[in-house]
Amino acid sequence: GAGVSQSPRYKVAKRGQDVALRCDPISGHVSLFWYQQALGQGPEFLTYFQNEAQLDKSGLPSDRFFAERPEGSVSTLKIQRTQQEDSAVYLCASSLTQGSAMLRQETQYFGPGTRLLVL
Amino acid sequence: AQKITQTQPGMFVQEKEAVTLDCTYDTSDPSYGLFWYKQPSSGEMIFLIYQGSYDQQNATEGRYSLNFQKARKSANLVISASQLGDSAMYFCAMREVNTGGFKTIFGAGTRLFVKA
Repeated sequence: GAGVSQSPRYKVAKRGQDVALRCDPISGHVSLFWYQQALGQGPEFLTYFQNEAQLDKSGLPSDRFFAERPEGSVSTLKIQRTQQEDSAVYLCASSLTQGSAMLRQETQYFGPGTRLLVL
Repeated sequence: AQKITQTQPGMFVQEKEAVTLDCTYDTSDPSYGLFWYKQPSSGEMIFLIYQGSYDQQNATEGRYSLNFQKARKSANLVISASQLGDSAMYFCAMREVNTGGFKTIFGAGTRLFVKA
């Protein structure tokens, strides 16, 4: 399939454990986004990449959260020393264009998400 | 302050009837885009429809239309001829030029139940 894929789909972690969540965007997509979706809520923006550059990380909830996209394609969201409040679905999305200030229709294609449960 | 407000936690509609899902938004940026997404139980967010703040006409995409009332800052989604497969969570979202145009802000969502 040519869609956004994420792995693992489900992750159970013990409190204090480090986790790494992977996102494979659609090939050729310039922009990549990470969102956190708590149960019963809408997704909340975490961070944004344009190619390999992380242009906005203002949504990362703490310095335990770290994201990278070293070659401008696959991205990894890492959470260190996980806490129970980190339990959520982590969604990745990509879009073809650069998400510049020229606001226009720019479909973000979402992956199925990784459901993280911290015990 | 909430940027996106969806006041209906849950909605029921009879199959083949139309339903309106409410969304109001708050922004001081004159340039913004409004989006609706569908999230079925599988979890994937599916883009439905887009409305730009300068668009003169309401957006339509098949059975989906967006009732855009700029002065009231509302962007309600209308689904015509509801189908059982429309049962899902629906999220209203916004992107503003002043924040770079890429940060999408989502509402809390409305769960739609379509009855046979």
